[in-house]
Amino acid sequence: GAGVSQSPSNKVTEKGKDVELRCDPISGHTALYWYRQSLGQGLEFLIYFQGNSAPDKSGLPSDRFSAERTGGSVSTLTIQRTQQEDSAVYLCASSPTLMQQETQYFGPGTRLLVL
Amino acid sequence: AQKITQTQPGMFVQEKEAVTLDCTYDTSDPSYGLFWYKQPSSGEMIFLIYQGSYDQQNATEGRYSLNFQKARKSANLVISASQLGDSAMYFCAMSVEYGNKLVFGAGTILRVKS
Repeated sequence: GAGVSQSPSNKVTEKGKDVELRCDPISGHTALYWYRQSLGQGLEFLIYFQGNSAPDKSGLPSDRFSAERTGGSVSTLTIQRTQQEDSAVYLCASSPTLMQQETQYFGPGTRLLVL
Repeated sequence: AQKITQTQPGMFVQEKEAVTLDCTYDTSDPSYGLFWYKQPSSGEMIFLIYQGSYDQQNATEGRYSLNFQKARKSANLVISASQLGDSAMYFCAMSVEYGNKLVFGAGTILRVKS
C-alpha cells in the first residue's frame, strides 16, 4: 500500500544547472499530475499525464520545463538552466483515472532551492 | 476561468470547538468537483473531503463536513470538535475539465489553542 513517492526530497543547485525530479505514483493509477508550491502560496498546476501522454503542456512556466512519463508509471520533471525563481516545492499527485470525482493523492514533494 | 477564493489567511479556534473555513469558487462549467486538503507543517497534502457539483447532500467525513451552497458558489469546510492536531494549512480546490487539474485557493492557516 505504498503512496506516491518523490525523489530527491531536497535539492540545492546552482543557477544555470539542470535538475531532474522524479515521481513514483501509486501502482495502477493512470493519471499523474505535477504542481508547484512557492513559499507560503497555494499550488500551481504544471502538467498532467494520462498514461504516458501529456495532452496539455500550457501550464509549464517556460520552455525550460519539460516532463515525461514512461511505462505508465514513473514520471520525471526536468528543469533546464535553473533560475532562482524556480525555487519551490514540486509536488506530484496521482489518481486512478482522470474522472472529475477522483481524489488526487499527493507525494511528499521535492524542495528545490536554486542559489 | 476557474478560480478559488479563500478569504481567511489565518484562523484561531479553541480546542473542542467547531470552526468554519470559507471557500468560494468561480466556474462556468456545470460539472465540477470541490476538494479540501490539509497541509501540516511537514508539507504533505492530505485529502479530507470531496463534494461533486451534482451531489444533493453535503459531504461528511468524520469530523469534517462540507457546507455546499451552490447558488452562492461556496463550499465551506466545517471541522467539529477541533483537536490540536488540526493545526495546519487548509486548501480548497476545484476540479474541472474532465478532472485534469485542480485549481487551488491560497489557503487558510488554522491554529487550534488548548
